[in-house]
Amino acid sequence: SYVLTQPPSVSVAPGQTARITCGGNNIGSKSVHWYQQKPGQAPVLVVYDDSDRPSGIPERFSGSNSGNTATLTISRVEAGDEADYYCQVWDSSSDSWVFGGGTKLTVL
Amino acid sequence: EVQLVESGGGLVQPGGSLRLSCAASGFTFSSYEMNWVRQAPGKGLEWVSYISSSGSTIYYADSVKGRFTISRDNAKNSLYLQMNSLRAEDTAVYYCARDVAAASYNWFDPWGQGTLVTVSS
Repeated sequence: SYVLTQPPSVSVAPGQTARITCGGNNIGSKSVHWYQQKPGQAPVLVVYDDSDRPSGIPERFSGSNSGNTATLTISRVEAGDEADYYCQVWDSSSDSWVFGGGTKLTVL
Repeated sequence: EVQLVESGGGLVQPGGSLRLSCAASGFTFSSYEMNWVRQAPGKGLEWVSYISSSGSTIYYADSVKGRFTISRDNAKNSLYLQMNSLRAEDTAVYYCARDVAAASYNWFDPWGQGTLVTVSS
């Protein structure tokens, strides 16, 4: 089955840029979605289809996808961005949704 | 407002059964595909099952295949997950999530608040 690999943690100072990667075999050929989950809350969609933002999500959140790596970029990081972030793709070979293991973003 | 509310979680013994429900409101439920996703304590997200808008197409994760059954009642705007032969490793918060489609791609939005299932003797 398809595997998505994320770094367990990323740390960044307020105002800086955070980049969270999601690795997968030829992931650039897939549509990647990103979710933010704060403690005790349900996940929230922050980027869909590689780089589109749902309404209500700040422009500071952006995404890219090429080759074997998709990236969620959070610019001008704020304390409120501290959360777990998960990438997701559809694996058509197994008819299943796949999530990455998640990345904990810490704002220093 | 689009809303998903799960219910039915609780404590169950290993080998037991439980039926989860997800009540949908604020959108035309019968037009949307739906999913169940779970999250074990302190762990990441794990997709569990998918059902098409009509219920004619269903997929399961290998970890629950043969034990869990997803279903829906479009007249009642409700999604269900029948869980049988429960194991300790099924302990998790279970979320229902609406499957949003555009062109040839889908994603989950929104998610319910989740219901906790604990399998323990």
